[in-house]
Amino acid sequence: EAQVTQNPRYLITVTGKKLTVTCSQNMNHEYMSWYRQDPGLGLRQIYYSMNVEVTDKGDVPEGYKVSRKEKRNFPLILESPSPNQTSLYFCASCISWSSHGLKGSYNEQFFGPGTRLTVL
Amino acid sequence: AQTVTQSQPEMSVQEAETVTLSCTYDTSESNYYLFWYKQPPSRQMILVIRQEAYKQQNATENRFSVNFQKAAKSFSLKISDSQLGDTAMYFCAFMKHVYGGATNKLIFGTGTLLAVQP
Repeated sequence: EAQVTQNPRYLITVTGKKLTVTCSQNMNHEYMSWYRQDPGLGLRQIYYSMNVEVTDKGDVPEGYKVSRKEKRNFPLILESPSPNQTSLYFCASCISWSSHGLKGSYNEQFFGPGTRLTVL
Repeated sequence: AQTVTQSQPEMSVQEAETVTLSCTYDTSESNYYLFWYKQPPSRQMILVIRQEAYKQQNATENRFSVNFQKAAKSFSLKISDSQLGDTAMYFCAFMKHVYGGATNKLIFGTGTLLAVQP
């Protein structure tokens, strides 16, 4: 079954304790990204990756790190979590767009099930 | 920068009735994609419907349809024959087109919580 998995699904931690949220996809997608969802703010992109060893900042990258050593995995790292990083996190993946001319191609993004993180 | 605005934080509809969720966006781009995502209590993000900006015809998917007004930068979602399973948070989202494809980055609105009443 084609899917994006995230672990853990729920995590309660304390300020300053390093943590990693894993994301894995089995669809051979080049593009992967992380979003955080906060009430009244919708989802905002944290980081994205166009392919292995290619990552870049999204709109809210402060306090986060990512790596892309393998195509299927895109972990989100919080080196020193703070309470303002309490949020719902989503990983997403899709095929990179390919040249189909001006009218282009849209590639559906597949979302993971979400990780509820609480930082005390 | 692009922005997406959903001005209705919460809405309620009776089962079998029709409801329309509003979305407006701001962009200087001429080519882009618009989406409606559904997030039920399970929190899973589910794509409901998408619209390519270059298409004049409004997209439809079974009971879901959109009213895309490009000049007004408006993209509303109509749900017909509402069902209890439609109860969810609905997000409007924008994706910029670049030559050869799309950026893959989604810009979301703040969401509308829809409750379908029995």
